[in-house]
Amino acid sequence: DVKVTQSSRYLVKRTGEKVFLECVQDMDHENMFWYRQDPGLGLRLIYFSYDVKMKEKGDIPEGYSVSREKKERFSLILESASTNQTSMYLCASKAGGSGARTTEAFFGQGTRLTVV
Amino acid sequence: GDSVTQMEGPVTLSEEAFLTINCTYTATGYPSLFWYVQYPGEGLQLLLKATKADDKGSNKGFEATYRKETTSFHLEKGSVQVSDSAVYFCAPMDSSYKLIFGSGTRLLVRP
Repeated sequence: DVKVTQSSRYLVKRTGEKVFLECVQDMDHENMFWYRQDPGLGLRLIYFSYDVKMKEKGDIPEGYSVSREKKERFSLILESASTNQTSMYLCASKAGGSGARTTEAFFGQGTRLTVV
Repeated sequence: GDSVTQMEGPVTLSEEAFLTINCTYTATGYPSLFWYVQYPGEGLQLLLKATKADDKGSNKGFEATYRKETTSFHLEKGSVQVSDSAVYFCAPMDSSYKLIFGSGTRLLVRP
């Protein structure tokens, strides 16, 4: 059974804290993604990575950074958490290579982050 | 840029009613198209997909046909159940193989 696992289901952090959200996949996928989901706005892409140590900005990267030191792990970092980063965060992974165009992304269960 | 438009929700139906959720998209090239479903408190799961024109994706009684001429991928089910209550996302894949999401459509099925 394929899996994308996010380290926490729920997190509560204080304004100004540095926050790490971890995501691990066991499918040997090249591509990994971080989205945030807010009511009425759907899913918006924060960052993605095509390979180890490679990262690219998505649509809303401000206030976030990422790290991908190993193929299976993709971390989202909130350098200084703010209340407007309260949201549901979803990690996804997807195969690359010749099948990239037709293969689906697999999602983790989500982390609901509250910044107080 | 690439985008997707879904009908506004929530969509409220009685059990056994017919469901249609409209989806249209703009994308460069020839994208693959996906429908994802999100049950309460969970992440997204793939519901179905279609990768070329006129393909029909199907799963769990849901169907959607890739209409290249109208850039649409409408989701249908002949008889919904209470357990189908969820949020549904239409998602084309852009030329960089990223999924493009809209705001989703919430479906509520009443007994």
